[in-house]
Amino acid sequence: QQQVKQSPQSLIVQKGGISIINCAYENTAFDYFPWYQQFPGKGPALLIAIRPDVSEKKEGRFTISFNKSAKQFSLHIMDSQPGDSATYFCAASLSGGYQKVTFGTGTKLQVIP
Amino acid sequence: KAGVTQTPRYLIKTRGQQVTLSCSPISGHRSVSWYQQTPGQGLQFLFEYFSETQRNKGNFPGRFSGRQFSNSRSEMNVSTLELGDSALYLCASSPELVNTEAFFGQGTRLTVV
Repeated sequence: QQQVKQSPQSLIVQKGGISIINCAYENTAFDYFPWYQQFPGKGPALLIAIRPDVSEKKEGRFTISFNKSAKQFSLHIMDSQPGDSATYFCAASLSGGYQKVTFGTGTKLQVIP
Repeated sequence: KAGVTQTPRYLIKTRGQQVTLSCSPISGHRSVSWYQQTPGQGLQFLFEYFSETQRNKGNFPGRFSGRQFSNSRSEMNVSTLELGDSALYLCASSPELVNTEAFFGQGTRLTVV
């Protein structure tokens, strides 16, 4: 019940296109959903996060859409750029005192010129 | 503000040996979490420390242990190394125990031969 399923495993998008990565969770108690971006040789860095009281959050070209009833959330990267090429991880965690975060398996995004 | 510092960056050990990895969190951060990252399993939670106490633990064998010092610096130890322990070990720090942004270090790449 702690799993977070992420798809696709890899994604190739043309420059200027929209990249979409989907995640699904099982535990309805999860209440914090961050997305992390990881470049080769670096640790993951928080990109954007959402709590289940909102259905969408936008920061620049990055948007999280959240569907609480379907237990799904997705990351949309608008106007994708070659510099966005990285591995993206969705995650989910429980509040209430513990930081344990369950990560999805990651999506390797390649944006081609 | 300095980021999360992990040492060493790279390590090669022989099966059966033990290893200690170090993590210095961002100044003022009191929560430190450890993750194992492998191509096949993604990011898996090892344990989390807050105020020198282990608050949460993932599903790893007892060969994996950790501790946190009064200055919030943390170490993790792996005893009786196995080939399957080869991975990138990531440390993340957060200001508090409740859900906030986790800042990752660059990781320690452990290779067991």
